Amino acid sequence: KAGVTQTPRYLIKTRGQQVTLSCSPISGHRSVSWYQQTPGQGLQFLFEYFSETQRNKGNFPGRFSGRQFSNSRSEMNVSTLELGDSALYLCASSLQGRNLGDSPLHFGNGTRLTVT
Amino acid sequence: GESVGLHLPTLSVQEGDNSIINCAYSNSASDYFIWYKQESGKGPQFIIDIRSNMDKRQGQRVTVLLNKTVKHLSLQIAATQPGDSAVYFCAESRYSSASKIIFGSGTRLSIRP
Repeated sequence: KAGVTQTPRYLIKTRGQQVTLSCSPISGHRSVSWYQQTPGQGLQFLFEYFSETQRNKGNFPGRFSGRQFSNSRSEMNVSTLELGDSALYLCASSLQGRNLGDSPLHFGNGTRLTVT
Repeated sequence: GESVGLHLPTLSVQEGDNSIINCAYSNSASDYFIWYKQESGKGPQFIIDIRSNMDKRQGQRVTVLLNKTVKHLSLQIAATQPGDSAVYFCAESRYSSASKIIFGSGTRLSIRP
């Protein structure tokens, strides 16, 4: 069974631009969540989607947004990029969308975004 | 490889010895705890979890201990191998939460041959 797939693997953007990251969950998984990982702040929760609806959201500005499609694939968008947005963006999927403990998150290998 | 954290606490262990990685959690309302392993260039990988109604859980070569009184979590790895080299994160959440996990800052485990 294929794992969580994230594309692209690496991305370099300029301040002020926008970027879209893609995530394909494990087949059959309906919940997709996104995390940002930086050396300074560690792993931080961005948001979670289930059945095409955002169900949970972290403390990030509105420049960070996402969506989920009917096939459970998800995209994350960051507009008006800032230098501080440079990070590893991780997508995770789970089988069930209700209780985290019933189906732990499976992470992809991330997209490394560099903003110059 | 990609750096997960520049100033992570590091635990250096002799190959074959047991490793103990400690973690303090902050939220008394958390009732579900997870350990993740992250190797260079990869995403976090689930190792083992434990609910707050337990104080110990064992997996293959790993044991998680939970002390709710002092809000402390530990991961024990038996007979540490070179492949265990990674950054280890403890994480807390609510069992009924869909996906929001609060991660700790991580500990880098280094294996001496």
